[in-house]
Amino acid sequence: RKEVEQDPGPFNVPEGATVAFNCTYSNSASQSFFWYRQDCRKEPKLLMSVYSSGNEDGRFTAQLNRASQYISLLIRDSKLSDSATYLCVVNTPRGSTLGRLYFGRGTQLTVWP
Amino acid sequence: DTEVTQTPKHLVMGMTNKKSLKCEQHMGHRAMYWYKQKAKKPPELMFVYSYEKLSINESVPSRFSPECPNSSLLNLHLHALQPEDSALYLCASSHDWSSYNEQFFGPGTRLTVL
Repeated sequence: RKEVEQDPGPFNVPEGATVAFNCTYSNSASQSFFWYRQDCRKEPKLLMSVYSSGNEDGRFTAQLNRASQYISLLIRDSKLSDSATYLCVVNTPRGSTLGRLYFGRGTQLTVWP
Repeated sequence: DTEVTQTPKHLVMGMTNKKSLKCEQHMGHRAMYWYKQKAKKPPELMFVYSYEKLSINESVPSRFSPECPNSSLLNLHLHALQPEDSALYLCASSHDWSSYNEQFFGPGTRLTVL
């Protein structure tokens, strides 16, 4: 079973739409959770960390449900510039390994005018 | 400043060449990482350095040799690579090697092996 499962999409939405991405993780010992954004042929960039209480940054809202091992990202009022691949990322200790990032396969979003 | 820099941006090399990739961060981070990313795939961890010591080698072939000269610098020495090693090589850093920290990525070196 993969550490992080994510719907690869693609999601194609019009400008102004609301779109939601989900992912699940398999290891209950995972300790921190992130959404990264990756544009074509560029590096992953941290979009936001995800907390159990939920957190919001402008048009972006992230939620974590530890009981269900489920992470979500909601984008409201989509912009053309939101077109990218969104990576669900989990940091999990493994034995003597203090922290290791596990990446979902990424969800591709295209916002059209 | 959350910047990680990498040089070169692009590299084309033959299978008999020796080259090096360089990574630098000035955020005072004590953990640095090398990842390899193929098209349409997520990054794959190669090496972890914690306080300038190699802490993880994810069974990477010996033709890839990492080096951490000091806390700000990370190199990846390449020798006798194969065409299938062509990929985007990403360097990342984090405050330390714990399971609570986000990692910040450099822009990557796009490597083509002929």
